[in-house]
Amino acid sequence: LAKTTQPISMDSYEGQEVNITCSHNNIATNDYITWYQQFPSQGPRFIIQGYKTKVTNEVASLFIPADRKSSTLSLPRVSLSDTAVYYCLVVGGDSNYQLIWGAGTKLIIKP
Amino acid sequence: DGGITQSPKYLFRKEGQNVTLSCEQNLNHDAMYWYRQDPGQGLRLIYYSQIVNDFQKGDIAEGYSVSREKKESFPLTVTSAQKNPTAFYLCASSLPLAGGPETQYFGPGTRLLVL
Repeated sequence: LAKTTQPISMDSYEGQEVNITCSHNNIATNDYITWYQQFPSQGPRFIIQGYKTKVTNEVASLFIPADRKSSTLSLPRVSLSDTAVYYCLVVGGDSNYQLIWGAGTKLIIKP
Repeated sequence: DGGITQSPKYLFRKEGQNVTLSCEQNLNHDAMYWYRQDPGQGLRLIYYSQIVNDFQKGDIAEGYSVSREKKESFPLTVTSAQKNPTAFYLCASSLPLAGGPETQYFGPGTRLLVL
């Protein structure tokens, strides 16, 4: 089972681009990388998912190098409302129950 | 309005009591999950169900039980055998993204407190 490693916390300022990196050295061939956002006392919310190279949607980009042993979530021009915990998850392409959630990265955006 | 609902938002349990947490989804998802989250921690899988009338234990199933009699519903019972039940409980259901694995969608959670 792939295990992920993320920084425990990060600070940034409004309007800045924030990059959160996740290490997943044991990722398997069929695994995907998925990122979730969680606000206090709420369920996690899906942000983005990718397999390789770059994926972009309306809220974030996900960069995955060729070896797929790490990935970087990029949040453009953050605002105070982006203060949350961000989880990196390696999701098995074959079996969804092989999910390991780490403690996530607590992102604090300052004015 | 499609989504996942959990009730109640807060639940209090007395010593030796069983309590049941409700989870309902109208997203027509086949798979459903229950997680436990302790303060400052990630989620830990309790049980999951990939189809009606079938469910599997997750990493921390001891002291919990589930049923899956309908596609829309996946209730979780916290039994008296669970000695440390105080936590935030999250229910999720999942749908495969095009070309990828299942992506989970979460309910708002139930906070369980022991009196």
